[in-house]
Amino acid sequence: EPEVTQTPSHQVTQMGQEVILRCVPISNHLYFYWYRQILGQKVEFLVSFYNNEISEKSEIFDDQFSVERPDGSNFTLKIRSTKLEDSAMYFCASSEAQSDEQFFGPGTRLTVL
Amino acid sequence: RKEVEQDPGPFNVPEGATVAFNCTYSNSASQSFFWYRQDCRKEPKLLMSVYSSGNEDGRFTAQLNRASQYISLLIRDSKLSDSATYLCVVNNFNKFYFGSGTKLNVKP
Repeated sequence: EPEVTQTPSHQVTQMGQEVILRCVPISNHLYFYWYRQILGQKVEFLVSFYNNEISEKSEIFDDQFSVERPDGSNFTLKIRSTKLEDSAMYFCASSEAQSDEQFFGPGTRLTVL
Repeated sequence: RKEVEQDPGPFNVPEGATVAFNCTYSNSASQSFFWYRQDCRKEPKLLMSVYSSGNEDGRFTAQLNRASQYISLLIRDSKLSDSATYLCVVNNFNKFYFGSGTKLNVKP
């Protein structure tokens, strides 16, 4: 069964450093997403991406964040200068079509020290 | 007002029980609706989509009431493996809004 994969599973970084989280969506999916979940809180939408551009983003997704599809398979989330409050689980998801079910990767746990 | 609201629970039920969760959403223009389950420190996994006509998948039944803006999930004959947090998800213009989840504990 095809699945979304994410690397690394756990990333530890110092405050102010840049991190790149990587995702490989399901191969025939066209819509890609990033979410975050702070420990003990709900899953929060960050950004959706389609046809090589951002289609929607939330208030959380400020200038510190960027997304990219550098090749035909990877989808990345970059945080330019990490803050302590960026510590969270980051989930990538993909869907075949807009408004369809989304399938989630296993997540990357980001810890900012 | 929150986009999606759920009773956080926990719901503690014995094996074999029937349990129901409700969820309300604020945006009447929402297009699609889902139930996901999330185990501790894992990713959300799709349980089922929710259609206006209602839909059933084995022991699970989902209903959507657009007029009242609520979604329900019914689990019959609960199993120990059903213990998880159940997330109500609403799609507004390609943004997925998650509820905080309802925790279910199924006891032997």
